[in-house]
Amino acid sequence: KAGVTQTPRYLIKTRGQQVTLSCSPISGHRSVSWYQQTPGQGLQFLFEYFSETQRNKGNFPGRFSGRQFSNSRSEMNVSTLELGDSALYLCASSFVTTGELFFGEGSRLTVL
Amino acid sequence: GESVGLHLPTLSVQEGDNSIINCAYSNSASDYFIWYKQESGKGPQFIIDIRSNMDKRQGQRVTVLLNKTVKHLSLQIAATQPGDSAVYFCAENRRSSNAGGTSYGKLTFGQGTILTVHP
Repeated sequence: KAGVTQTPRYLIKTRGQQVTLSCSPISGHRSVSWYQQTPGQGLQFLFEYFSETQRNKGNFPGRFSGRQFSNSRSEMNVSTLELGDSALYLCASSFVTTGELFFGEGSRLTVL
Repeated sequence: GESVGLHLPTLSVQEGDNSIINCAYSNSASDYFIWYKQESGKGPQFIIDIRSNMDKRQGQRVTVLLNKTVKHLSLQIAATQPGDSAVYFCAENRRSSNAGGTSYGKLTFGQGTILTVHP
């Protein structure tokens, strides 16, 4: 059974640009969550989607957005990139009823 | 404020020893706790979970203990192996219900403990 797939794995952007990250959940998982991981702040919740609806949102500025498609695949977008947005962005999926989150290997974003 | 934190940032043990990683949480309303292991270059991997109506749960070589009185969580790894070397995170799931139903996807993570196992 394929795990959570995130693309791209690595990317480099410059300040002011925008970026879109993609996440394909485990087949059958309808809930997708996104997290930002940095050395200074650790793992922080960004948002959660279920059935194409955002159910929870973390404390991030409006530059961070996301969406979920009818096939449960999800994307997140960061506009007007700042140096502090450099991080590992992790996607996780789950069966809603079990609560266990399965994480992908992340997309490592470097902002120059 | 509400937070999940770890007492020790690093832990070094010898192969074969038992390891104990600790975690404190502050929200008495938390009802679900998870331990994750993260190896270099990989995403967090689920180890074991426990619900607030339990105080102990065992898995393969791992045991999680929950003390709700002092809001403390611990992960015990028996016969630690070099392959156990990683960063370990505790996480808290605050069950919340909204129009979309119960949310399981919003976790609050602790800072992490680096476990190093020496051969």
